[in-house]
Amino acid sequence: DGGITQSPKYLFRKEGQNVTLSCEQNLNHDAMYWYRQDPGQGLRLIYYSQIVNDFQKGDIAEGYSVSREKKESFPLTVTSAQKNPTAFYLCASSIQGDSPLHFGNGTRLTVT
Amino acid sequence: AQSVAQPEDQVNVAEGNPLTVKCTYSVSGNPYLFWYVQYPNRGLQFLLKYITGDNLVKGSYGFEAEFNKSQTSFHLKKPSALVSDSALYFCAVRDKGAGDKIIFGKGTRLHILP
Repeated sequence: DGGITQSPKYLFRKEGQNVTLSCEQNLNHDAMYWYRQDPGQGLRLIYYSQIVNDFQKGDIAEGYSVSREKKESFPLTVTSAQKNPTAFYLCASSIQGDSPLHFGNGTRLTVT
Repeated sequence: AQSVAQPEDQVNVAEGNPLTVKCTYSVSGNPYLFWYVQYPNRGLQFLLKYITGDNLVKGSYGFEAEFNKSQTSFHLKKPSALVSDSALYFCAVRDKGAGDKIIFGKGTRLHILP
């Protein structure tokens, strides 16, 4: 079955540590996205990539980094510079154009 | 810059009654508009989209949405609500003139009362 896999489902880290969230898709989609979800704030775009080896900042990119070395993979690193990293992180992909996003089931990151 | 507004944090509807979840948008060009639903601790699931053509679009689970260009709105509707429709609903917009950037509203929690 095609889909998007985010791992792990739950992640715990100490403050000051970098952490990388995995996102893999086997849908052969060109575009991939990372969103952050906080209660009452909806989904906010962190980074997106329309093609391999290229990506653009979203609305809240500070404190995050990404790479797109392969079409199937779009890992997100939450750095120690991110002031409030505890959140639910969602990865998505789509064919470019008018196609809808396909979402993974998310990673809930807790930083203490 | 593109934006999406969902003016209601929560909507309560009795089972069997019609429901409406509101969405307004702002884009510089022509919009692609989407509705998604989210169940607890899950990703979002696509419900329906407007790209062009008929202003009334039909989607999954009996949902439909009406595109109104003059009011820049894309309200989600269903003629008869089910308890199982209770979830978090998101409106999203992709600005055709701004590449593949997709922006979401803050979400509306729909409660269907038995």
